[in-house]
Amino acid sequence: QITLRESGPTLVKPTQTLTLTCTFSGFSLSTSGVGVGWIRQPPGKALEWLAVIYWDDDKRYSPSLKSRLTITKDTSKNQVVLTMTNMDPVDTATYYCAHRRGYNWNPWGQGTLVTVSS
Amino acid sequence: EIVLTQSPGTLSLSPGERATLSCRASQSVSSSYLAWYQQKPGQAPRLLIYGASSRATGIPDRFSGSGSGTDFTLTISRLEPEDLAVYYCQQYDRSLWTFGQGTKVEIK
Repeated sequence: QITLRESGPTLVKPTQTLTLTCTFSGFSLSTSGVGVGWIRQPPGKALEWLAVIYWDDDKRYSPSLKSRLTITKDTSKNQVVLTMTNMDPVDTATYYCAHRRGYNWNPWGQGTLVTVSS
Repeated sequence: EIVLTQSPGTLSLSPGERATLSCRASQSVSSSYLAWYQQKPGQAPRLLIYGASSRATGIPDRFSGSGSGTDFTLTISRLEPEDLAVYYCQQYDRSLWTFGQGTKVEIK
């Protein structure tokens, strides 16, 4: 059974850097074809894909946020880390990590709400 | 970037009725790359349909997907009270993913 869980700060100040960790079980990021991604959702709004990292360390980012995002993996710890620089109140959202299955996301973590406020 | 537009924004139906949700893409999408998710209140999204028409594991057969090119449809044949949720379509193109803005299904 695949599970994922997001962790990180619930509150960050404008201009700070956000660091979120996704800890997963039930699969290995060293297995060919495997990927883990991040998707966010502002309160009451739609889903927005942010980034993905693959078993071979290939990384892809949303074009609109590429300059602010970095995704890394620690295969030995079964973790994926997302950093987002220069946080702004519009970045307030629930941040989800998810397992890439084919061209879809399945399953998802429970999500973590991050509020950006001074 | 391919933009997905979902309609209607909100659908209010009674239990037992048929729900038809639309997802239109700004350019052609391979059927293999089109998926639907269900997000119940306070929960993470759950994969419903992948490859435009294949149900994910454990999804009841009252959910079905169809379509091709730029027009895709999610149908719930007989609404149940637990189908109260927001439904999102998603596409994959050139290593990038985009989601539609969602359709909210309300149960009368």
